[in-house]
Amino acid sequence: EPEVTQTPSHQVTQMGQEVILRCVPISNHLYFYWYRQILGQKVEFLVSFYNNEISEKSEIFDDQFSVERPDGSNFTLKIRSTKLEDSAMYFCASRDRRSGANVLTFGAGSRLTVL
Amino acid sequence: RKEVEQDPGPFNVPEGATVAFNCTYSNSASQSFFWYRQDCRKEPKLLMSVYSSGNEDGRFTAQLNRASQYISLLIRDSKLSDSATYLCVVNIAGGYNKLIFGAGTRLAVHP
Repeated sequence: EPEVTQTPSHQVTQMGQEVILRCVPISNHLYFYWYRQILGQKVEFLVSFYNNEISEKSEIFDDQFSVERPDGSNFTLKIRSTKLEDSAMYFCASRDRRSGANVLTFGAGSRLTVL
Repeated sequence: RKEVEQDPGPFNVPEGATVAFNCTYSNSASQSFFWYRQDCRKEPKLLMSVYSSGNEDGRFTAQLNRASQYISLLIRDSKLSDSATYLCVVNIAGGYNKLIFGAGTRLAVHP
């Protein structure tokens, strides 16, 4: 079964450092997303990406965050200067244009720990 | 009011029990509805979509009441492997299919 792959599975960083989380969406999918989940809290939408541009972003997705699709396969989330409160699990997801029920497939997540 | 509200649980039930989860959503423009399952420290996985007429998938039955903005999930004959957090998820009309997650209801099935 096709899957969304994410790297790294776990990253520990110092506050103020830049972090890049990587995702390889399912190959024929056209819509890409980042969600995050702070430990013990709900899954929260960060950003959606379609046709090489951000289509929607949440209030959480401030100027410290950026996304990029540098080539035909990778989809990255960059946090420019990490804060303690950025510690969370970050999930990448993708969707097929033809998915009538708007079903997203999630990756296994990248756990970010900011010290 | 929270966009998607669920009873946090936990629901502790014996194997074989029937358990029901409820969910309400606040945005009447919500278009699509889902139940996802999340195991501890894992990604959310789609359990089933929820249709207006109600739908069933084996031991799982989902219902939607648009007038009340209410969604339910019924699990019959619970298995140990059903232990997880069940997430009620809605998709807001328009935009690019942003999913709004509830905080989840935790289910623990014991022998």
